[in-house]
Amino acid sequence: KAGVTQTPRYLIKTRGQQVTLSCSPISGHRSVSWYQQTPGQGLQFLFEYFSETQRNKGNFPGRFSGRQFSNSRSEMNVSTLELGDSALYLCASSLFSGSGKTQYFGPGTRLLVL
Amino acid sequence: QQQVKQSPQSLIVQKGGISIINCAYENTAFDYFPWYQQFPGKGPALLIAIRPDVSEKKEGRFTISFNKSAKQFSLHIMDSQPGDSATYFCAASIQGGSEKLVFGKGTKLTVNP
Repeated sequence: KAGVTQTPRYLIKTRGQQVTLSCSPISGHRSVSWYQQTPGQGLQFLFEYFSETQRNKGNFPGRFSGRQFSNSRSEMNVSTLELGDSALYLCASSLFSGSGKTQYFGPGTRLLVL
Repeated sequence: QQQVKQSPQSLIVQKGGISIINCAYENTAFDYFPWYQQFPGKGPALLIAIRPDVSEKKEGRFTISFNKSAKQFSLHIMDSQPGDSATYFCAASIQGGSEKLVFGKGTKLTVNP
């Protein structure tokens, strides 16, 4: 079974631009969560989508948004990029939501904002 | 209340030694405590997890000890190997809620040969 895939793997943007990151979960998984990883703040939860509905949202500004499609693939969007948005963005998938089953992480998209 | 505090930030052990990483939480609603291992350039991978109805769980060389009254849990790596050199994260979540994991800040483990 293929793992969680994220595209692109690396991205360089400038302040004020917007960016869209994509995540394809493991086949059959319906829950997709997004995390931001930085050296200073560690791993922080952004949001979770299950069956195309946002199930939970972390403490991030409205510039961060996401969506999930009927095939469970998910995208996250960051508008009006700031230097502090430079981070590794990780996507994780699991079979269901809130079931205590294993979350499988992708390799991440490394975003650099100049 | 949503924090998980992890220590130490970094740890150096000799091959064959025991690595111990500690975590503490405040929110008593947490009821699922996984540990993740992350290698450079990779996403975190689940290592072992525990629920608060047991005090210890062992899988191979990895053991989680859980102290519900103290709201603490720890990861013990027995017979540490150079291949165990990675960053380890403890996490906590509330089952039945969502998949949201609250992570500790991580421990960078180096096992010297």
